[in-house]
Amino acid sequence: EADIYQTPRYLVIGTGKKITLECSQTMGHDKMYWYQQDPGMELHLIHYSYGVNSTEKGDLSSESTVSRIRTEHFPLTLESARPSHTSQYLCASSVDQSRNTIYFGEGSWLTVV
Amino acid sequence: DQQVKQNSPSLSVQEGRISILNCDYTNSMFDYFLWYKKYPAEGPTFLISISSIKDKNEDGRFTVFLNKSAKHLSLHIVPSQPGDSAVYFCAARDLQGAQKLVFGQGTRLTINP
Repeated sequence: EADIYQTPRYLVIGTGKKITLECSQTMGHDKMYWYQQDPGMELHLIHYSYGVNSTEKGDLSSESTVSRIRTEHFPLTLESARPSHTSQYLCASSVDQSRNTIYFGEGSWLTVV
Repeated sequence: DQQVKQNSPSLSVQEGRISILNCDYTNSMFDYFLWYKKYPAEGPTFLISISSIKDKNEDGRFTVFLNKSAKHLSLHIVPSQPGDSAVYFCAARDLQGAQKLVFGQGTRLTINP
């Protein structure tokens, strides 16, 4: 059972607002990830981190930013939300490269109106 | 350029029968393959995986087959149960991508009573 938590689960905000999606894991995993998924589409990696003070952009370009100041915390921020940012955002973590499984949080559904 | 493809967006199977979900990939550098299961409004959960050095891995009702020459893998569920109704994602790890997973677009499996 993975212990990775995302808040908020559901959010509707207006265009131009700043939003931070929170992600925390209690497993001490070094590696953390943010995926974005639109309904019926594949999951796209938008950010990842291999440890504290390490962040990298993923395969899909995103206007969001991330930070990794603590091992257990990997928040994602949108400075100015737009309707095109409406999507599901999934946070995940994993132990190390020898273990191939990544564990997902329950996701944050963001709607920008 | 989609490297992992699940060409069937949906599949409907009778309870008790075998469900076969298919996945094709293009990148020969993928060395590990995983299947994730996703219920609505939840994050994906790990189901089963297979290393590229194997051609079969079995775990209870779930079996994954890998055909490297065809760059094809499949997930077999037998017997299918109503609780198996979910979206199934195929994922692959790029040997050069340091545990970043590439996901397919998912197949929605519906088990009919």
